Amino acid sequence: ILNVEQSPQSLHVQEGDSTNFTCSFPSSNFYALHWYRWETAKSPEALFVMTLNGDEKKKGRISATLNTKEGYSYLYIKGSQPEDSATYLCAFADNYGQNFVFGPGTRLSVLP
Amino acid sequence: GAGVSQSPRYKVAKRGQDVALRCDPISGHVSLFWYQQALGQGPEFLTYFQNEAQLDKSGLPSDRFFAERPEGSVSTLKIQRTQQEDSAVYLCASSLEFTPANEKLFFGSGTQLSVL
Repeated sequence: ILNVEQSPQSLHVQEGDSTNFTCSFPSSNFYALHWYRWETAKSPEALFVMTLNGDEKKKGRISATLNTKEGYSYLYIKGSQPEDSATYLCAFADNYGQNFVFGPGTRLSVLP
Repeated sequence: GAGVSQSPRYKVAKRGQDVALRCDPISGHVSLFWYQQALGQGPEFLTYFQNEAQLDKSGLPSDRFFAERPEGSVSTLKIQRTQQEDSAVYLCASSLEFTPANEKLFFGSGTQLSVL
């Protein structure tokens, strides 16, 4: 069973603060790493799909980095806004995509 | 349709009742997943279809859970003799390709099942 961890479990930041959180995954047989944002009462929405070690992806104020050799990915949010409040999920795939597992998520609350 | 559609949005069932949850994926999407999300946890894999073929059902928690996608489009997740531990959000997701792990999934809004 693949072990995908996310930290912290939850955090509260003030509007305008920048923040980051971590997804940790096994460092062998890496295939892909996904990030999703899940706002309350909405569908999870894909942010990034990353497949190469050293990948950096950016979408507006949100960016992500990937280190497959040490088994982690960081998600950064610059200048957090209340609308960034959501649960951020990562999902890890190994073995050519044969296994695909979600982490437990990081719940972000941005206070105005 | 424009996105993945799930129905019903909410379902309350009495313990022992059978329920059926429906997923309409994006038209043309080959791969379809069902996930179960318990409170405070991430989505946990239940089953995976490629067109009409159920390629992986290793995540189904018991033989009370059954999923089908007979024509390779709409899928139904059926839970027989529901138990309180079945209470969760059931998410459906689809993707265009045969190897979904290297492209993003499109999720429905989920069905929140409460078993009393």
